[in-house]
Amino acid sequence: NAGVTQTPKFQVLKTGQSMTLQCAQDMNHEYMSWYRQDPGMGLRLIHYSVGAGITDQGEVPNGYNVSRSTTEDFPLRLLSAAPSQTSVYFCASSFARTQYFGPGTRLLVL
Amino acid sequence: GESVGLHLPTLSVQEGDNSIINCAYSNSASDYFIWYKQESGKGPQFIIDIRSNMDKRQGQRVTVLLNKTVKHLSLQIAATQPGDSAVYFCAGHTGKLIFGQGTTLQVKP
Repeated sequence: NAGVTQTPKFQVLKTGQSMTLQCAQDMNHEYMSWYRQDPGMGLRLIHYSVGAGITDQGEVPNGYNVSRSTTEDFPLRLLSAAPSQTSVYFCASSFARTQYFGPGTRLLVL
Repeated sequence: GESVGLHLPTLSVQEGDNSIINCAYSNSASDYFIWYKQESGKGPQFIIDIRSNMDKRQGQRVTVLLNKTVKHLSLQIAATQPGDSAVYFCAGHTGKLIFGQGTTLQVKP
């Protein structure tokens, strides 16, 4: 199993650009989530999904959209990038109480 | 609001010694807590969890203690090794996971 995979590993955007961060898992987990991690802070929940077709907002959802058309994929869309969205983004899938995190996408918004 | 916080941003220990990483939380309704290890450039990795109705849980070289009276939990690592060098996060679950800020564990050879 590849576990949780994320692409790209690193991205530079200009303010106002849009992009999609990809996340996929091959463990058939129903629950998936997106977090952002900023220096000196813990992970903060952006959006999550309890199954295909179902998504909900986390702590910091503004500026991000998600969809869940399949169990495997959970992309995160930045509609109009802002410098405040410079961060490291982690996708995770969960089974019971255990979350499996991807390797992260480092995003820089200029 | 609810919060989960770690007491020390950095902990430096000698190889072979025991490490204790502490965490405080504010929400008594958390039904379980989890400790994660994050190595540089990688995503967090599950270490151990503990349900809120337990006081202690042991894993391989790790022990988590939960004191609900003072809303405190700790992660103890026995015989700390260089490979234990990482950032350690605690997280409380109350419908969703709330993460603390992380403690960097440095292991001196």
